[in-house]
Amino acid sequence: DVKVTQSSRYLVKRTGEKVFLECVQDMDHENMFWYRQDPGLGLRLIYFSYDVKMKEKGDIPEGYSVSREKKERFSLILESASTNQTSMYLCASSIPGTGGRVQYFGPGTRLLVL
Amino acid sequence: DAKTTQPTSMDCAEGRAANLPCNHSTISGNEYVYWYRQIHSQGPQYIIHGLKNNETNEMASLIITEDRKSSTLILPHATLRDTAVYYCIVRVLNSNSGYALNFGKGTSLLVTP
Repeated sequence: DVKVTQSSRYLVKRTGEKVFLECVQDMDHENMFWYRQDPGLGLRLIYFSYDVKMKEKGDIPEGYSVSREKKERFSLILESASTNQTSMYLCASSIPGTGGRVQYFGPGTRLLVL
Repeated sequence: DAKTTQPTSMDCAEGRAANLPCNHSTISGNEYVYWYRQIHSQGPQYIIHGLKNNETNEMASLIITEDRKSSTLILPHATLRDTAVYYCIVRVLNSNSGYALNFGKGTSLLVTP
């Protein structure tokens, strides 16, 4: 089975802090994604990566950056956390050949920024 | 953008079949229908996808009408653990990525004892 893990299930940070969210997948998938999920807004794509050191902006990249130094690991960085970044963050990876549409998700990190 | 219509909520008795409908009248000929679900406080889980033919896997069956304007996800013997929000997705977002999945609001399925 595909396994996507995220470093924390719950995280509390203060405004202005730099926050690192880590995601690891064990199935050698090329594509990895970071979403945030907010009530009433569904899932919104922040960034995705289709290979090591490659990244593409999603729909809401402002205030975020990413890092993909190894194929299995995709990190989301909040350069200076703000209260409007309080959200559920979901990482996913996808099977090659499906155009990214069959995605396997991690359990999510619920981030609270005070 | 994706144009899917799903009921907001449904109930199903444990052990019975759960039939979740989805309307997607604007689907184009080469677009697949995907189903995901999200159990409370967990990440979404891929269930099944199809293009024209009916599909079945260990989790569910997908019935797509001949005109492809609607589909039904069938959980043949629902259990309490199937209580979740079920999302029907037929198109990726027209975003920079081209890979995003538009989950919409989905159907909240409650399986009762």
